[in-house]
Amino acid sequence: ILNVEQSPQSLHVQEGDSTNFTCSFPSSNFYALHWYRWETAKSPEALFVMTLNGDEKKKGRISATLNTKEGYSYLYIKGSQPEDSATYLCASSSATNKLIFGTGTLLAVQP
Amino acid sequence: GAGVSQSPRYKVAKRGQDVALRCDPISGHVSLFWYQQALGQGPEFLTYFQNEAQLDKSGLPSDRFFAERPEGSVSTLKIQRTQQEDSAVYLCASSLDTSYEQYFGPGTRLTVT
Repeated sequence: ILNVEQSPQSLHVQEGDSTNFTCSFPSSNFYALHWYRWETAKSPEALFVMTLNGDEKKKGRISATLNTKEGYSYLYIKGSQPEDSATYLCASSSATNKLIFGTGTLLAVQP
Repeated sequence: GAGVSQSPRYKVAKRGQDVALRCDPISGHVSLFWYQQALGQGPEFLTYFQNEAQLDKSGLPSDRFFAERPEGSVSTLKIQRTQQEDSAVYLCASSLDTSYEQYFGPGTRLTVT
């Protein structure tokens, strides 16, 4: 894997559904993996920063896992709500903290 | 406290015009980053400052793009002789240091007609 890749590109779910997205990144020269939530017309909001293989982080209904050996991270949302609708971006960073972003997953939660 | 702010939020420029985009980072943040997000793409790195020093400008797409941060706080991204392919959202982010979480502004949406 040469670039940061995210899937799916978009996702439509019903309120209450649980969902997950995937981020793949180059495992060489890895420093940290970042997840952001970006709502329309607002600033991207940092969700998680993970550095260690096997890291798991949780914030409310949202959690993330990290596998640095195989170069992937999963983001999970339990019991999706309409306010979770946003674009979810992941980014890999090197020691200089320059972020390399994926193209994002657009989540739409229908009430 | 105040987050990262950017101005203007929206800018329409005619092809060939010069534009200047401003970023006010969080007070005390040493590092400042500029990213460009074209339609349908993820944000891409443009340039990075540590205080007033521009340490990496490898992402600037051409010599029409110029960034400065003369006093180590506010930064300006200038684009000369804008072209249609410059149309994008320009994001600014700041962090306490290079190893810390980056805080983003809301971006400036530039449309070149």
